[in-house]
Amino acid sequence: KNEVEQSPQNLTAQEGEFITINCSYSVGISALHWLQQHPGGGIVSLFMLSSGKKKHGRLIATINIQEKHSSLHITASHPRDSAVYICAVIKGGGSNYKLTFGKGTLLTVNP
Amino acid sequence: DTAVSQTPKYLVTQMGNDKSIKCEQNLGHDTMYWYKQDSKKFLKIMFSYNNKELIINETVPNRFSPKSPDKAHLNLHINSLELGDSAVYFCASSLTGASWNSPLHFGNGTRLTVT
Repeated sequence: KNEVEQSPQNLTAQEGEFITINCSYSVGISALHWLQQHPGGGIVSLFMLSSGKKKHGRLIATINIQEKHSSLHITASHPRDSAVYICAVIKGGGSNYKLTFGKGTLLTVNP
Repeated sequence: DTAVSQTPKYLVTQMGNDKSIKCEQNLGHDTMYWYKQDSKKFLKIMFSYNNKELIINETVPNRFSPKSPDKAHLNLHINSLELGDSAVYFCASSLTGASWNSPLHFGNGTRLTVT
């Protein structure tokens, strides 16, 4: 079993819908990344968080350290949000760390 | 003024050949990484370097040899290429080692196809 599990694996939504992608992990972490990979392949870091909640535009990321769970929400989804969303957890810190990735959630937003 | 740039974008080669992928970052970051993304789109860390020093080597065959001539460059050399090496390789950098206040910046990836 992977240390980082994401759900769902695939998600199809209609434009305007509220999207939630979940990430659960089984190890102690120092921080968690949400990444976005577009169909062209490039990867962009959306959020890094170690507690609470962060918001950027229509994207919101939350993390509950005690429950070892994080969610990525997209409000008013748009076809340009279609991408693979990847959760990655960071164990350790400084230059001595390990980054473990989930397998990603493929989001398709239809117009 | 690309932040993390890798070359080439595509690399097609035959089994047994030796090839290199280059990575450069102009962000002034201390730490650079190589990640491999397999056919199932699963990302895995291969190496990380901090100020030209190898920090992480994640059970990668020794046919893979990273080289960091300075902290702005981390190149990946692969000897005796095998079919299973076909994947997309991503370079990334961060200001310090990955921590809560040091996000990763990725290059656009190099798609390696071994025939």
